[in-house]
Amino acid sequence: AQSVTQLGSHVSVSEGALVLLRCNYSSSVPPYLFWYVQYPNQGLQLLLKYTSAATLVKGINGFEAEFKKSETSFHLTKPSAHMSDAAEYFCAVTPSGNTGKLIFGQGTTLQVKP
Amino acid sequence: KAGVTQTPRYLIKTRGQQVTLSCSPISGHRSVSWYQQTPGQGLQFLFEYFSETQRNKGNFPGRFSGRQFSNSRSEMNVSTLELGDSALYLCASRLAGDKLETQYFGPGTRLLVL
Repeated sequence: AQSVTQLGSHVSVSEGALVLLRCNYSSSVPPYLFWYVQYPNQGLQLLLKYTSAATLVKGINGFEAEFKKSETSFHLTKPSAHMSDAAEYFCAVTPSGNTGKLIFGQGTTLQVKP
Repeated sequence: KAGVTQTPRYLIKTRGQQVTLSCSPISGHRSVSWYQQTPGQGLQFLFEYFSETQRNKGNFPGRFSGRQFSNSRSEMNVSTLELGDSALYLCASRLAGDKLETQYFGPGTRLLVL
């Protein structure tokens, strides 16, 4: 069964520092991978998705992620953190390419310190 | 275009009662998925409806059920509520149910079972 594992339930960075949120997937077939963000008391918003086209995927708000098959990873990065990036981030995979059913990681809470 | 709306936003029930949550998808979207979010279990897929038919189902007991109407609005029902059903329930919609379409999430309904 497909699954994703997010390493680190909490990540703290200083404003302006690099953001790196880790996600590893487990899949026997080429996966479709997603990063979502959730702000307090809100639903989820799609940051970016990998659908087997380019391995480096650019998303909204300056985020990007690189699909690395050899490492089974899909880490999320942003060169310079902003206070408004403080939120919870979820990596997700879709079994059989059906995005109506997403399997989520446990989430990583990003704290941005001034 | 209005986003996904969910009603009510907050709900308090007691054990043994039943509850019905409503989700109105983005206009023109025909697929609606439901997820449960709890601190312990994270985000878990409940079910997906497309054109009034359940297309996918997660690993939840039969107390959790749903339906979709001809206008694509969806409801989920939980019968015989248990304390563990306290959660944020999110619904998400997508356009035509094709494999890699983005899911757009609503703000959720927060259910507290006492």
